[in-house]
Amino acid sequence: GQNIDQPTEMTATEGAIVQINCTYQTSGFNGLFWYQQHAGEAPTFLSYNVLDGLEEKGRFSSFLSRSKGYSYLLLKELQMKDSASYLCAVRDSNYQLIWGAGTKLIIKP
Amino acid sequence: ETGVTQTPRHLVMGMTNKKSLKCEQHLGHNAMYWYKQSAKKPLELMFVYSLEERVENNSVPSRFSPECPNSSHLFLHLHTLQPEDSALYLCASSRLLETEAFFGQGTRLTVV
Repeated sequence: GQNIDQPTEMTATEGAIVQINCTYQTSGFNGLFWYQQHAGEAPTFLSYNVLDGLEEKGRFSSFLSRSKGYSYLLLKELQMKDSASYLCAVRDSNYQLIWGAGTKLIIKP
Repeated sequence: ETGVTQTPRHLVMGMTNKKSLKCEQHLGHNAMYWYKQSAKKPLELMFVYSLEERVENNSVPSRFSPECPNSSHLFLHLHTLQPEDSALYLCASSRLLETEAFFGQGTRLTVV
């Protein structure tokens, strides 16, 4: 079967750095997405990786290793507004998106 | 504001009711999606439309019936639902099937 694994919950301190991991087992690979979802709101697109390596976008970076079936989202200089759920999703060989259950990130002062 | 609007935001319905969820996108996208989001579970893809043609139906019960009259509008018709259908229903659109999706705020559905 296909599955995406990510930690259920993480806690970090304001101003610090946190890394949210995502491992996947899918039938084929056509890209990996990270989304942010604040409580009661719509998921919003953060990043897209299709080739191995690091994609940097401001305070957020996303890394992909296709051989290891592994990605991480790195958040730097954490702010209270970064408290949210972070969803990892992989597009398989049929271009269907397979979603993880999300990682709830709690930021403490 | 993502450019994808869903109505209503909240809906409570009995098991014998018939209701419809509406989604509208103002982004000029060609693909639209219905997802179900339950607490602590992954997003479940229900239906996909590309250029107004249904391309995906992931074994969704027939009590859920989608309709895509044009590339900007998507409906989800509901009838004789069960309490376990209570969830957040999210609509999304993308320029192409391969590109990132933009989500609406969702409809919080409670079946009583």
